[in-house]
Parts: sequence; structure tokens; C-alpha cells
Amino acid sequence: LAKTTQPISMDSYEGQEVNITCSHNNIATNDYITWYQQFPSQGPRFIIQGYKTKVTNEVASLFIPADRKSSTLSLPRVSLSDTAVYYCLVWMDSSYKLIFGSGTRLLVRP
Amino acid sequence: NAGVTQTPKFQVLKTGQSMTLQCAQDMNHNSMYWYRQDPGMGLRLIYYSASEGTTDKGEVPNGYNVSRLNKREFSLRLESAAPSQTSVYFCASSELRGGDGYTFGSGTRLTVV
Repeated sequence: LAKTTQPISMDSYEGQEVNITCSHNNIATNDYITWYQQFPSQGPRFIIQGYKTKVTNEVASLFIPADRKSSTLSLPRVSLSDTAVYYCLVWMDSSYKLIFGSGTRLLVRP
Repeated sequence: NAGVTQTPKFQVLKTGQSMTLQCAQDMNHNSMYWYRQDPGMGLRLIYYSASEGTTDKGEVPNGYNVSRLNKREFSLRLESAAPSQTSVYFCASSELRGGDGYTFGSGTRLTVV
């Protein structure tokens, strides 16, 4: 399974765009990149997933360069309610296992 | 509301006691999972069940057993609880293989004294 590396924590202010970059140098051809969000005292919640280039949904955008060795989660105009832990995961198409790392703790300040 | 239901929400055990954590999903998902999350850490996979009738070990299976009772229910049993098993336990389910389809429960906070 590909190992992921992401910043332990980030600070931002309301209304700013936040970009969280995840490194996954040994990603395999069949691997997908997935991001989850976890609020305190809750289970994680799926945000976005991609294989290459750019994916956008109503919550976030995911940028994946051609070499796929990293990915960037972009949260536009964050609010206080976006304060959470964000997990970058790489999962194998053939696997049932979704393995979480330590995540990035995002704090949004007023 | 559709989703994953875990019981109990909180539990305190004495060292050596046993207990079973219950999980049920009403989304007709094939796969179910048990994770634990220690303070300030990410989730670690304990066991999973790819489909009814099958179970497999995850990253940290020691000290736990699981039962896939039917398609809806997946229980986690601690036979002899230890303080190292103090954690928040999350159950999840998914329809297919795929990182985008996991639905998590709200967790069971377990303290072993």
C-alpha cells in the first residue's frame, strides 16, 4: 500500500482558500486518491476522489499532477465549520482495505 | 435515517472483562469494517468483512474477534479487555470496493480501567 505524507496541521482564516498537499511517492498504477474529513466526535466523511488531473465537486477540488506522486485538496473560501481533520488516502482497486494516516488538522479562525 | 448505527456510544470496562460492540447498517452494503482511533491519531483497521460470510484481519487484529451475523450486522468482541484497548471504535460499511463509498458510524468510546 502506498504511504501518504501530509502536514500535521494548518491554520487559516475564514474566507480564504486552503490547499492541503499530500505526498504519495510510491503510488501504483491501479491506486486511487481519496480524501476524507473528520469532525470531532464523528466518523470520517468522504469528500472527494480522483485518479489523475482535476476533480471538482460542490465541496472541494482535487488536483493530481501527471506523475501522480502528490495530490492537493483545495477548499475554497473556508468557514469556521471547515475546522476538521483531513485525511489523504491511497487505495488499491483490488483491495477492500482503506488505510488512514494521521491526517492534517485544519483550524479555521474568524 | 439511513446509515450505520453503533451501540453502545460509551462504555467503561474493567481489565479482563469482555464485551461486544454492535454495528448495523441499513444501506444494503456488502462490506463492513471495524476501525479504532486513539487520541490524536488516525484510524486503524481492525477487521473487515468483504461480504456476508467472510471476515479478514486488518492492521491491528490482536485482542479482537468479529462476527458477520448477516448482511446488516457486524459485531466486534473484546474477550479480555486491556487498558491498551481504550479507544474510539468506528464501524463503517461500503457497497463495493472503493475509497469513495465508505459510510461511518458515530463511534463507540471505550475506556478500559
